[in-house]
Amino acid sequence: SSELTQDPAVSVALGQTVRITCQGDSLRSYYASWYQQKPGQAPVLVIYGKNNRPSGIPDRFSGSSSGNTASLTITGAQAEDEADYYCNSRDSSGNLNWVFGGGTKLTVL
Amino acid sequence: QVQLVQSGAEVKKPGASVKVSCKVSGYTLTELSMHWVRQAPGKGLEWMGGFDPEDGETIYAQKFQGRVTMTEDTSTDTAYMELSSLRSEDTAVYYCATVSLEAVTTFDYWGQGTLVTVSS
Repeated sequence: SSELTQDPAVSVALGQTVRITCQGDSLRSYYASWYQQKPGQAPVLVIYGKNNRPSGIPDRFSGSSSGNTASLTITGAQAEDEADYYCNSRDSSGNLNWVFGGGTKLTVL
Repeated sequence: QVQLVQSGAEVKKPGASVKVSCKVSGYTLTELSMHWVRQAPGKGLEWMGGFDPEDGETIYAQKFQGRVTMTEDTSTDTAYMELSSLRSEDTAVYYCATVSLEAVTTFDYWGQGTLVTVSS
């Protein structure tokens, strides 16, 4: 299957820890990448590979994977983390297309 | 550091074509694998196609095959995405993005986006 499934919305209290998940068969073959998108802005890569952060991404962002599920964890969520988060990978079923999850809107309370 | 600068907003009539450009700086286009992703208003990200570094071919999402053409001008380090037979559902922000040299599934740099509005 080429689908990646994300919960549409998640909320977290300021300073608490939140996990955003992404499920799909392709995640058994490929690591997920994670992107943060704020209103009116282009997506920004926050996690890629096993658990890699691009330069400038705070270390409160981390990634993990198990079976067909990838997770993005924000430890000590800040107000500025409120955004949409998307996972992506490649379809492992044959056409090797790139694919995105539907996105998760994170609200920081 | 890669920088991607896209062309400005476009308004097109149904049935027309649009060509969006993406100028690369910091690297040459031949060093990169360029892709295009779009986002309809209030919706999620949708992969359209791009250069697959693993087999050296440009591939398109099935949804857009026959309507989209992605090209590159290496003399100016500019990538182009042309979408034809536009319909209202093609109204979206179109992004160019580069595949990471470290992880083939990852888009590490993004353009600022180009809004394409299809309206009669």
